[in-house]
Amino acid sequence: NAGVTQTPKFRILKIGQSMTLQCTQDMNHNYMYWYRQDPGMGLKLIYYSVGAGITDKGEVPNGYNVSRSTTEDFPLRLELAAPSQTSVYFCASSYIGFLSGANTEAFFGQGTRLTVV
Amino acid sequence: DQQVKQNSPSLSVQEGRISILNCDYTNSMFDYFLWYKKYPAEGPTFLISISSIKDKNEDGRFTVFLNKSAKHLSLHIVPSQPGDSAVYFCAASDSGGGADGLTFGKGTHLIIQP
Repeated sequence: NAGVTQTPKFRILKIGQSMTLQCTQDMNHNYMYWYRQDPGMGLKLIYYSVGAGITDKGEVPNGYNVSRSTTEDFPLRLELAAPSQTSVYFCASSYIGFLSGANTEAFFGQGTRLTVV
Repeated sequence: DQQVKQNSPSLSVQEGRISILNCDYTNSMFDYFLWYKKYPAEGPTFLISISSIKDKNEDGRFTVFLNKSAKHLSLHIVPSQPGDSAVYFCAASDSGGGADGLTFGKGTHLIIQP
């Protein structure tokens, strides 16, 4: 009954370092998403995937990369960390996409709090 | 340009009373709306949704109302309970739009006073 699992929960990076935020889901959902939430702000979409091998940019993709080699996993890569990437990152999944016009909901992981110093 | 606006950063309500959380949107193409609840250090959890073909949806103590002409929706919680204290996010999607996913408001921090 895990749902969406994100690792790590917390991380401190130095400017210029790289890291991968891991996300895995066990609900066999085709659609997966990465959001970031800055203090006092709503969640903003970074990247999303409609299935294995298919990814697309969201509202704020700069500085990030993703891959989707399996249905279960959707890692988010930061290549050259910058202070502007200090945020809380949420991974989510849904059975169908919101562009389908059918009602659905997205299930979220617990988040990764990233600080870049 | 915020397409989904929650103009009240916080709201304090007495236990047992009604909590009303408001949300306005500017994109007339939005056709599906959701409310998420978020506790500290946890991810958002789905609460209730409404399609644009409806104007009301109820689930237990939670009711969402949609006024399409005013581009306004509200979440009513009756009666409010201490466990309802959390941040509530309004979210919207446009099924004919570009990127898949949801557009979120900034959230309203609901505090239930005993």
